[in-house]
Amino acid sequence: GQNIDQPTEMTATEGAIVQINCTYQTSGFNGLFWYQQHAGEAPTFLSYNVLDGLEEKGRFSSFLSRSKGYSYLLLKELQMKDSASYLCAAMDSNYQLIWGAGTKLIIKP
Amino acid sequence: DAMVIQNPRYQVTQFGKPVTLSCSQTLNHNVMYWYQQKSSQAPKLLFHYYDKDFNNEADTPDNFQSRRPNTSFCFLDIRSPGLGDAAMYLCATSRDRGGAYEQYFGPGTRLTVT
Repeated sequence: GQNIDQPTEMTATEGAIVQINCTYQTSGFNGLFWYQQHAGEAPTFLSYNVLDGLEEKGRFSSFLSRSKGYSYLLLKELQMKDSASYLCAAMDSNYQLIWGAGTKLIIKP
Repeated sequence: DAMVIQNPRYQVTQFGKPVTLSCSQTLNHNVMYWYQQKSSQAPKLLFHYYDKDFNNEADTPDNFQSRRPNTSFCFLDIRSPGLGDAAMYLCATSRDRGGAYEQYFGPGTRLTVT
């Protein structure tokens, strides 16, 4: 079957760094997406990885290892507004997104 | 600004009373999606349209129907809502299918069934 695993909840301190991990199993693979979702709002796109390695975009970076079926999202210089759920989604061979349930990130002052 | 718009943002319906949710986009994207999302769960894909081609997920209940009369608009019809259908309904678009094309989401319609 196809599935995504990511931690349910994480807590971090304002100004610190946090890494949110995601493992995936899909039928075929066409890339890995990260989305941010604030409570009661729609997901917004953060990053897309299809090749192994690290993609950096400002305070956010995303890493992919295809051989390990593993990705992480790295958030630096955490701000209170980063409190949200972070959804990992892998695209299968039919171009369907397989979504994780999200990691709720709580930022403390 | 180009965007995905959903109306209404909040919808209350009675058990068994048909309801229609609407979505429009100004992005001129080929693909439109409807997702159902319950609290602390992953979005669940209900259907998607690739241009006019309708794709129904195998586990989407018959109670859910969809229409896409033109490129810009897409509707979700729930014929006989049950209490278990209370959720956030998200419309999304992408320029095309394929890995490089991220999905753009509307703000969602939160459906309450009484």
